Amino acid sequence: DARVTQTPRHKVTEMGQEVTMRCQPILGHNTVFWYRQTMMQGLELLAYFRNRAPLDDSGMPKDRFSAEMPDATLATLKIQPSEPRDSAVYFCASGGSTGAHGYTFGSGTRLTVV
Amino acid sequence: GQNIDQPTEMTATEGAIVQINCTYQTSGFNGLFWYQQHAGEAPTFLSYNVLDGLEEKGRFSSFLSRSKGYSYLLLKELQMKDSASYLCASDSGTYKYIFGTGTRLKVLA
Repeated sequence: DARVTQTPRHKVTEMGQEVTMRCQPILGHNTVFWYRQTMMQGLELLAYFRNRAPLDDSGMPKDRFSAEMPDATLATLKIQPSEPRDSAVYFCASGGSTGAHGYTFGSGTRLTVV
Repeated sequence: GQNIDQPTEMTATEGAIVQINCTYQTSGFNGLFWYQQHAGEAPTFLSYNVLDGLEEKGRFSSFLSRSKGYSYLLLKELQMKDSASYLCASDSGTYKYIFGTGTRLKVLA
């Protein structure tokens, strides 16, 4: 089964520290998303890439968050400095050019900032 | 504005049928997704409706009315493993999928 791989699965860090989350999309998928999920807000889109180009990152707090796709096999989401309100599950998802077949989510990174 | 509404929680009995409703108001609309998410796991794709009407996939069916901004997910012959959250999401055509907060379904024996 093809899958989206995210690392780490869990991360506990202190406020002010840098956090980097990584995602390996499914080979051949040209669209990659970063979502954040909390109980209160549900799934929020942070950024997405198509053919490695960032198309929209308007959902991301620009002062502390950054998303990149250095190559087709790696997408990163970085938070610097991290704050307690960033505690959430961060999902990466990948898919083809249309949504007709849905998008495959990774298992997520559960981030806790203390 | 952009808005997706779903009931927060529903309860049903094993073997029964349950319908989970979703209403949406989004600027631009291509289609509507349904995802299933078990506790502590990633969402998994269930369906994508573009045209009005009912699409059936085994025990799960999804319905869309574009004129009413309304969709539902129908689950038949409920099983315990169907206990999960069900998320609807609108596709505005710009990859900005707007997700609802999900409906938590509890299936009781």
